[in-house]
Amino acid sequence: GAGVSQSPSNKVTEKGKDVELRCDPISGHTALYWYRQSLGQGLEFLIYFQGNSAPDKSGLPSDRFSAERTGGSVSTLTIQRTQQEDSAVYLCASSLGTDSNQPQHFGDGTRLSIL
Amino acid sequence: SQKIEQNSEALNIQEGKTATLTCNYTNYSPAYLQWYRQDPGRGPVFLLLIRENEKEKRKERLKVTFDTTLKQSLFHITASQPADSATYLCALRRDGNKLVFGAGTILRVKS
Repeated sequence: GAGVSQSPSNKVTEKGKDVELRCDPISGHTALYWYRQSLGQGLEFLIYFQGNSAPDKSGLPSDRFSAERTGGSVSTLTIQRTQQEDSAVYLCASSLGTDSNQPQHFGDGTRLSIL
Repeated sequence: SQKIEQNSEALNIQEGKTATLTCNYTNYSPAYLQWYRQDPGRGPVFLLLIRENEKEKRKERLKVTFDTTLKQSLFHITASQPADSATYLCALRRDGNKLVFGAGTILRVKS
């Protein structure tokens, strides 16, 4: 498809398990962003990639969170030893570049529920 | 600290009226401000971008203003329709290439 694709769309898992979330950006978009959105809250920045490198990881909440991007395309966000407070919608966005005048194109997110 | 504030209360208006949403910010000097629309269960969708040297930007029934002295942007939807009902988010760049979002304002247009 032409848009940003995220999978799975929903994930329910038990506390303590690891989860992997996937983002397939728009073809040709060099910048990729991960956000977290809790119920009724704004988007919380997690990390962004320019190509395969992540110049800014400052938004990752803890060392249980990690992300990688390969081939300048697909990215995965991994959460290890999940906790209940990790429950949220995880959104991915891509843009042509990282200039602030570039709009970000979002996927519909992965809704993560930790039991 | 840097803050972006949007009306936390939902805005309820009648179809055909103009909806006006507010975005206030502190401790930023953004070169650009963006507005997005988010429907339930969906990701945000980009609507408009306005630069610091632009006072106003229009796109169809949408109008955005940007007052860098007041540190405020207003987002207007004229001749509103029930299909305009959604959450509207403003966003500013902060610290390099991060885009920081406000919490959003829910707009409900009643027929």
